[in-house]
Amino acid sequence: SQKIEQNSEALNIQEGKTATLTCNYTNYSPAYLQWYRQDPGRGPVFLLLIRENEKEKRKERLKVTFDTTLKQSLFHITASQPADSATYLCALTYSSASKIIFGSGTRLSIRP
Amino acid sequence: DAGVIQSPRHEVTEMGQEVTLRCKPISGHNSLFWYRQTMMRGLELLIYFNNNVPIDDSGMPEDRFSAKMPNASFSTLKIQPSEPRDSAVYFCASSFPGTGGGYTFGSGTRLTVV
Repeated sequence: SQKIEQNSEALNIQEGKTATLTCNYTNYSPAYLQWYRQDPGRGPVFLLLIRENEKEKRKERLKVTFDTTLKQSLFHITASQPADSATYLCALTYSSASKIIFGSGTRLSIRP
Repeated sequence: DAGVIQSPRHEVTEMGQEVTLRCKPISGHNSLFWYRQTMMRGLELLIYFNNNVPIDDSGMPEDRFSAKMPNASFSTLKIQPSEPRDSAVYFCASSFPGTGGGYTFGSGTRLTVV
């Protein structure tokens, strides 16, 4: 069965630095790969989606890459701020009408 | 739009009791998903509907769990009888097919079975 691994349970970095989170998957590549943010006591919030045939997607301070050869996605937050502290979830979809499978998440802490 | 609305926000019940969780998806969204989140297992998909029809319920843990979607604006997840191991946060999410995802999640129902 498909497995999704996010590089670490927790990541601590200094404010202003770039945070890089990793998502690796096994087996076949998904049609879409997505990233969500989840704050304590709240539901996940959709951030970015990247398609199988796209290499990179940007949104403000966020950047996502998708390497189907390495079976990996990288999620970058540039000029990180304490308000970026949250858990970030990687998720895979295999067709536009199918379910999303979530990774276990990486808890990111940005210290002032 | 008020987003995906779930009720109740918190539920504490005794083992053996029936629990019903409710969800109102975003108007116009054709797909609805029920997820369960625990520290040990993360976010697990229980069941999802397209156009009110259940498509995949392979994630429903046992026959004690059932879900319905009688119309496009309402869905329920029922546990009968409930057990302590059902304690978790249950999320409902909705989306419009063809966008490749971008689910909108509700705030969740925190269920505690004692």
